[in-house]
Amino acid sequence: EPEVTQTPSHQVTQMGQEVILRCVPISNHLYFYWYRQILGQKVEFLVSFYNNEISEKSEIFDDQFSVERPDGSNFTLKIRSTKLEDSAMYFCASSDRGAQHFGDGTRLSIL
Amino acid sequence: RKEVEQDPGPFNVPEGATVAFNCTYSNSASQSFFWYRQDCRKEPKLLMSVYSSGNEDGRFTAQLNRASQYISLLIRDSKLSDSATYLCVVIYYNQGGKLIFGQGTELSVKP
Repeated sequence: EPEVTQTPSHQVTQMGQEVILRCVPISNHLYFYWYRQILGQKVEFLVSFYNNEISEKSEIFDDQFSVERPDGSNFTLKIRSTKLEDSAMYFCASSDRGAQHFGDGTRLSIL
Repeated sequence: RKEVEQDPGPFNVPEGATVAFNCTYSNSASQSFFWYRQDCRKEPKLLMSVYSSGNEDGRFTAQLNRASQYISLLIRDSKLSDSATYLCVVIYYNQGGKLIFGQGTELSVKP
């Protein structure tokens, strides 16, 4: 069964540094998403992306965040200057307009 | 009022028991509904979509009541492997397809 893959599985970064989280969505999907889950809390929507542009973003997705689809397969989330409160699991998801399928996440730890 | 509200549990049940989870949502414009399951520190995995007519998948039955803005999941003959957190999820297609997650209901099935 096709799946969404994410790398790295765990990223440890100093506060203030830039991080890039990578995702390879399911190949025939056209809609892409990023979510995050702070430990012990619910999954929160960050951003949706379709046709090479952001279609919706949440309040969390401020100017420090950006997304990009640099080629035909990758979908990245960049955090420009990380803060302690950015520590969370970050999940990428993709869909063909129906249910969304999630990658197994990147655990981001900010020191 | 939270957009999607669930009883956090935990629900501790013996193997073979029938267990029901409830979920309410606040936005009557909510368009489609899903149940996901999430194992500890793993990604959400789609369990089933929820249709107004009700739908069944093996031991799992989902119901939707749009008038009451209420969704349910029934698990019959529960197995040890059903132990997980069950997430009630609403999708807004007119907001970039973002998913709004409930806090999740924790289920623990004991031998």
